[in-house]
Amino acid sequence: NAGVTQTPKFRVLKTGQSMTLLCAQDMNHEYMYWYRQDPGMGLRLIHYSVGEGTTAKGEVPDGYNVSRLKKQNFLLGLESAAPSQTSVYFCASRTGVRRNEQFFGPGTRLTVL
Amino acid sequence: DQQVKQNSPSLSVQEGRISILNCDYTNSMFDYFLWYKKYPAEGPTFLISISSIKDKNEDGRFTVFLNKSAKHLSLHIVPSQPGDSAVYFCAASGTGKLIFGQGTTLQVKP
Repeated sequence: NAGVTQTPKFRVLKTGQSMTLLCAQDMNHEYMYWYRQDPGMGLRLIHYSVGEGTTAKGEVPDGYNVSRLKKQNFLLGLESAAPSQTSVYFCASRTGVRRNEQFFGPGTRLTVL
Repeated sequence: DQQVKQNSPSLSVQEGRISILNCDYTNSMFDYFLWYKKYPAEGPTFLISISSIKDKNEDGRFTVFLNKSAKHLSLHIVPSQPGDSAVYFCAASGTGKLIFGQGTTLQVKP
């Protein structure tokens, strides 16, 4: 099992460019999450999904969109990147049992110039 | 308004001694707490958790203590090993979503 994988690992964008981050999990998990990690801020929830075809906003959703067309994939899109979106992005997934832990991917380091 | 706080950005301890990492929270609706460990260039990995109905949970060298009246939890690592050097995040949950603290960087010196 690969667990949670993220593509790409690194990316540099210019302001205004768009991109999509891909998260894939092979654990048949119902719930999937996108976080961003910034220095001194911990991990903040951007968007999440409780099942295929569903998405919901987290703590810091502005400037991002998501889609969950297949249960195993959760895509995070930046339509018009801004320097404030420079961050490390983590995807996570868990089963439908609420107190089960989340499993995290290795992260995508994004720089917006 | 930060609901989960780790007030110590860093901690340095000697190998073999105890490491104590602290975490405070403000929301009394949180009923489940977790600790994650993160190495550089990797994603966080789950370490240990505790339900609000307990005040202690132990797993090998790792013990988490919960003081609900003080809204405080702590992670004890005994004995500390150089491989424990990492960033530790505490997280709290009341609805299934996790709220993370800022993290504490632990350095264990040989």
